[in-house]
Amino acid sequence: GAGVSQTPSNKVTEKGKYVELRCDPISGHTALYWYRQSLGQGPEFLIYFQGTGAADDSGLPNDRFFAVRPEGSVSTLKIQRTERGDSAVYLCASSHRRASDTQYFGPGTRLTVL
Amino acid sequence: AQTVTQSQPEMSVQEAETVTLSCTYDTSESNYYLFWYKQPPSRQMILVIRQEAYKQQNATENRFSVNFQKAAKSFSLKISDSQLGDTAMYFCAIHAQGGSEKLVFGKGTKLTVNP
Repeated sequence: GAGVSQTPSNKVTEKGKYVELRCDPISGHTALYWYRQSLGQGPEFLIYFQGTGAADDSGLPNDRFFAVRPEGSVSTLKIQRTERGDSAVYLCASSHRRASDTQYFGPGTRLTVL
Repeated sequence: AQTVTQSQPEMSVQEAETVTLSCTYDTSESNYYLFWYKQPPSRQMILVIRQEAYKQQNATENRFSVNFQKAAKSFSLKISDSQLGDTAMYFCAIHAQGGSEKLVFGKGTKLTVNP
């Protein structure tokens, strides 16, 4: 596809469950970013990949959050033992090489933890 | 660390009129990039305009232009000939080189264009 895609669009889960959120970046983009957007707020940085490696994971809130990008393309954000406070829209973005290049965002996954 | 402040939580404008959204930022880096993103109800963040800090000339994209005041650390967005489709959340963001590769966003301004 031409743009960044994310699946699922919406995810409802119960407290304590495990979830995986998928991001498919624009073909050829080496940089991939995950952000979390809570209601009424701007997106907050979670993690940045350059190729297959997590170059900056300083935004991950705790060790329940983990992300991978094994082949340098698709990325999965994994959340263990979900809590109600994890409810938010999770946005993925990709850019050609660096953050100073334009970041193109996906439509996001709305996660609701009951 | 970088910070971005958008002091107008909500604004409204009549169709065909001009509106200016405010943004101030702070960074200790000398080389940085500034962005305005639009987020309609569909949630997809769309780049409106991008400004490189080392460029004196204000960026423009059709009906969208910025007023970049580097000394004042101000980066306002002007929308001319407002259209109903401009109704959205608008976020100002900064990327500072020399640090993390992340974008730092403001809290956003909700813009409503009235017919």
